[in-house]
Amino acid sequence: GAGVSQTPSNKVTEKGKYVELRCDPISGHTALYWYRQSLGQGPEFLIYFQGTGAADDSGLPNDRFFAVRPEGSVSTLKIQRTERGDSAVYLCASRFDRNQPQHFGDGTRLSIL
Amino acid sequence: AQTVTQSQPEMSVQEAETVTLSCTYDTSENNYYLFWYKQPPSRQMILVIRQEAYKQQNATENRFSVNFQKAAKSFSLKISDSQLGDTAMYFCAFMKQGGSEKLVFGKGTKLTVNP
Repeated sequence: GAGVSQTPSNKVTEKGKYVELRCDPISGHTALYWYRQSLGQGPEFLIYFQGTGAADDSGLPNDRFFAVRPEGSVSTLKIQRTERGDSAVYLCASRFDRNQPQHFGDGTRLSIL
Repeated sequence: AQTVTQSQPEMSVQEAETVTLSCTYDTSENNYYLFWYKQPPSRQMILVIRQEAYKQQNATENRFSVNFQKAAKSFSLKISDSQLGDTAMYFCAFMKQGGSEKLVFGKGTKLTVNP
């Protein structure tokens, strides 16, 4: 497809479990971002990739959160030992070049029971 | 750190009327961009309009225009001839040029267009 693709669309899991969220950016987009949107809030930055490397991970809330982008395309956000407070919509965005707008996917709604 | 404030949690407007959504921001940066994104229930953030801080001319995109007041750090969105499809959450966002160019969002304004 032409847009940013995120899977799964929804994920429900129990507290303490491990989850992986996937983002497939627009082809050719070198920059990739993850944001977290809690209920009633705007998205908050988590991490930024330029190519394969995490150029800015200052938004990751703690060491339970980790993200990779091994081949400079698809990215996976990994959350260990999930907590109820991790429940949110996780949004992925990509852009082609600096000063270009970010294009967002539909997000993954994560619910921790 | 930059902050973005949207002081109107909810707004409503009649179809075909005009509505203005407010946004203020705080930054010490000189080079930045400002954006308005629309988020319908599908969750996807859709870019509505963007403004480069160095440009004095206000950006326009069809029925959407902004009033950018740099000294006042104000960036409002005007929607003309409102349509039912404009019903959505609207987020104002700030991006500093250089570095990661991450977006800093406000809390959003829920806009309802009534028939």
